[in-house]
Amino acid sequence: GAGVSQSPSNKVTEKGKDVELRCDPISGHTALYWYRQSLGQGLEFLIYFQGNSAPDKSGLPSDRFSAERTGGSVSTLTIQRTQQEDSAVYLCASSLFVGELFFGEGSRLTVL
Amino acid sequence: AQSVTQLDSQVPVFEEAPVELRCNYSSSVSVYLFWYVQYPNQGLQLLLKYLSGSTLVKGINGFEAEFNKSQTSFHLRKPSVHISDTAEYFCAVLNSGGYQKVTFGTGTKLQVIP
Repeated sequence: GAGVSQSPSNKVTEKGKDVELRCDPISGHTALYWYRQSLGQGLEFLIYFQGNSAPDKSGLPSDRFSAERTGGSVSTLTIQRTQQEDSAVYLCASSLFVGELFFGEGSRLTVL
Repeated sequence: AQSVTQLDSQVPVFEEAPVELRCNYSSSVSVYLFWYVQYPNQGLQLLLKYLSGSTLVKGINGFEAEFNKSQTSFHLRKPSVHISDTAEYFCAVLNSGGYQKVTFGTGTKLQVIP
């Protein structure tokens, strides 16, 4: 399709395991964002990629979280040694024009 | 750093009544402002945006918002709501003048009562 695609849509994992979440942005979009949505917390900014510039990692909550964007397209968010407080919906968005973000459906992560 | 405050976490309103969802922002530079909507079990989508020019901006589904620089506000309004407007609404801010992250508020759940 033409929208932002995220996988998996649902992930259940055990505490301490590593998880990878994938985002395929809209073709040609130069900006890519990761947010985390928890109940009552709104959208928490995690990381922002813009073209070939160094990413803005200021929102990553700990060094267990990392993300990369390969070839200016697909992005992977990795959470190492997952904790229960990591349970949330992880949203990816891409953008071509200022502030106009197109969101994926999200990846719901449950850490048992 | 920029920030957004949405004071109302939930707003119940009767069908066909008017509604205002409040948004205040904080930034040391000029900003761009946005409202996004998330319908139940759907992804977020852009409702409207203010980049420059007229301070009253109109969006989809009859919503509008007014940028008030002196009050640092960008409240969302609709004169008559419909059941289908039941959703969560997020205000967002972006510092103008460069490629930067978009900061979202905590959201306001609009519940339209038949």
